[in-house]
Amino acid sequence: NAGVTQTPKFRVLKTGQSMTLLCAQDMNHEYMYWYRQDPGMGLRLIHYSVGEGTTAKGEVPDGYNVSRLKKQNFLLGLESAAPSQTSVYFCASSYRRYYSYEQYFGPGTRLTVT
Amino acid sequence: AQTVTQSQPEMSVQEAETVTLSCTYDTSESDYYLFWYKQPPSRQMILVIRQEAYKQQNATENRFSVNFQKAAKSFSLKISDSQLGDAAMYFCAYRSANRDDKIIFGKGTRLHILP
Repeated sequence: NAGVTQTPKFRVLKTGQSMTLLCAQDMNHEYMYWYRQDPGMGLRLIHYSVGEGTTAKGEVPDGYNVSRLKKQNFLLGLESAAPSQTSVYFCASSYRRYYSYEQYFGPGTRLTVT
Repeated sequence: AQTVTQSQPEMSVQEAETVTLSCTYDTSESDYYLFWYKQPPSRQMILVIRQEAYKQQNATENRFSVNFQKAAKSFSLKISDSQLGDAAMYFCAYRSANRDDKIIFGKGTRLHILP
């Protein structure tokens, strides 16, 4: 199993450009999450999904959109990138609550917005 | 709302010694899970240990153990016989057992291992 994978691993954007980060998991997990990690801030939840076709806002959703058209994929979109979105982005997935509670993380995407 | 606090931004320990990382949390729920995650320089988040709130016995995983004090809402991580490979950022995390949503992370403690 590949676990949780993220594409791309690195990206540099100019202010105003758009991009999509792809997260894929092959563990048949129901739940998927997008976090951002900034120095001294820990991990902050952007959006999450509890199943195919569903999404919900997390702690810092502004400026991001997500879609979960297939159970194994969770996409994070930036429509008009801003320097404040420079960060490391992590995707995670987990089983629904009656099976296991730990989250499995992808390797992260380092995004720089200039 | 639940919160997780790690009051030690950085800590250092001599190789082979024991170190304890602190974590406190705030919740009104009685059923939940607590985690310690390790993030080495590779950035990969790795689960170190998990504790179910309904279990009184403290979880242990080889050199890693926790001191779970439910009434005090405290969840510290003890690393015994510290090794150079333990150098990393450590995150304490909380998850409700009753809600279909996220894990709440503390801001992390950076652990340095001194040779």
